[in-house]
Amino acid sequence: NAGVMQNPRHLVRRRGQEARLRCSPMKGHSHVYWYRQLPEEGLKFMVYLQKENIIDESGMPKERFSAEFPKEGPSILRIQQVVRGDSAAYFCASSPTISNQPQHFGDGTRLSIL
Amino acid sequence: DQQVKQNSPSLSVQEGRISILNCDYTNSMFDYFLWYKKYPAEGPTFLISISSIKDKNEDGRFTVFLNKSAKHLSLHIVPSQPGDSAVYFCAASRAAGNKLTFGGGTRVLVKP
Repeated sequence: NAGVMQNPRHLVRRRGQEARLRCSPMKGHSHVYWYRQLPEEGLKFMVYLQKENIIDESGMPKERFSAEFPKEGPSILRIQQVVRGDSAAYFCASSPTISNQPQHFGDGTRLSIL
Repeated sequence: DQQVKQNSPSLSVQEGRISILNCDYTNSMFDYFLWYKKYPAEGPTFLISISSIKDKNEDGRFTVFLNKSAKHLSLHIVPSQPGDSAVYFCAASRAAGNKLTFGGGTRVLVKP
């Protein structure tokens, strides 16, 4: 999974705190996707971004979750006022174009809520 | 609404034999299909893909078959090796948007 960098790898937060997850796409990739994996389940799409634009946020919870991919710097997935149910592995993927190219994934951020 | 399903949660196979993983989908708008392999504490690693204009794609030990009329795809791994032990996910997307819809995964154990 070299190329897509996610940090931190593990993040522990108490209920009510904020969580910020970062993703730097592979070099030359301008499309970023965030997925969430709950225990013993498959990955679920959350949001798709290009630089400075949210293209598809159909998988994002309506409240507390937001994502950005600024002109400079990594993509950020932000979760405000975290709850126990937010505990999951969050994966970022990137791809070079919108056409049928495989997405390449980072190693994820494991978020634990105390 | 589970649009992509992997009905076998686990599979055990002897080293050297063939592993066959199956995946069904319901959305006829899907036209690009992928298989990913995942080890614990790592992200999914892309294995092989197929577009809906083909019915077979091969890459080394991995072959993916697509049956559009049945909305079914399968991954064949031959010969299976102990290092193939992992969770395998199938995923599907539409041409536009490109977000992936994943199945629930199949855990493969290759016994030496």
